Amino acid sequence: DTEVTQTPKHLVMGMTNKKSLKCEQHMGHRAMYWYKQKAKKPPELMFVYSYEKLSINESVPSRFSPECPNSSLLNLHLHALQPEDSALYLCASSQVDAGSYNEQFFGPGTRLTVL
Amino acid sequence: AQSVTQLDSQVPVFEEAPVELRCNYSSSVSVYLFWYVQYPNQGLQLLLKYLSGSTLVKGINGFEAEFNKSQTSFHLRKPSVHISDTAEYFCAVRVALFGYGNKLVFGAGTILRVKS
Repeated sequence: DTEVTQTPKHLVMGMTNKKSLKCEQHMGHRAMYWYKQKAKKPPELMFVYSYEKLSINESVPSRFSPECPNSSLLNLHLHALQPEDSALYLCASSQVDAGSYNEQFFGPGTRLTVL
Repeated sequence: AQSVTQLDSQVPVFEEAPVELRCNYSSSVSVYLFWYVQYPNQGLQLLLKYLSGSTLVKGINGFEAEFNKSQTSFHLRKPSVHISDTAEYFCAVRVALFGYGNKLVFGAGTILRVKS
């Protein structure tokens, strides 16, 4: 199984809502990532989890709160978002082998619209 | 810092014609380079990768790329494109996070439009 799944596929939320994005992989990968992709832009890294611990936060606002409850799951909790946070949110996973290039496998993304 | 530059934002081409999408990288150390494709409203799919060894890399869907160290380039080519190749293509470089996985830094993307 080389698939990364993401739910929901689409999400529309108001600025006062609280919602969560979910990502799951069963490849035994111990690194998981959140990327944000604005329209007509490349993906940009938000967070990296390694062995279920947050290892990288690319100066993301606190209204985005990641969580890695186990080695297969990655969540992104959303609260008090702004319309400019509307984007495609991509999850990826990889191995964490020092001697390997650690290919990242991407999920299909969640298309988020903030009203 | 490692980065990649995609020189063309859009490339229009007729069906069955050859195409080249250009990518230049900036790095003072050995690089791992990738090309990803993104179809409309979908995630990213890996086309091919350069890690080391042969400078000509073959990928899926008939694409290939050549790593050129002297020109710091990693251009993507296909000898004959199909309508179904219409998509956005991203060149990316891996930045190692040493024990934490790795980070991909993407170029701005090139939209390939194949016309009939």
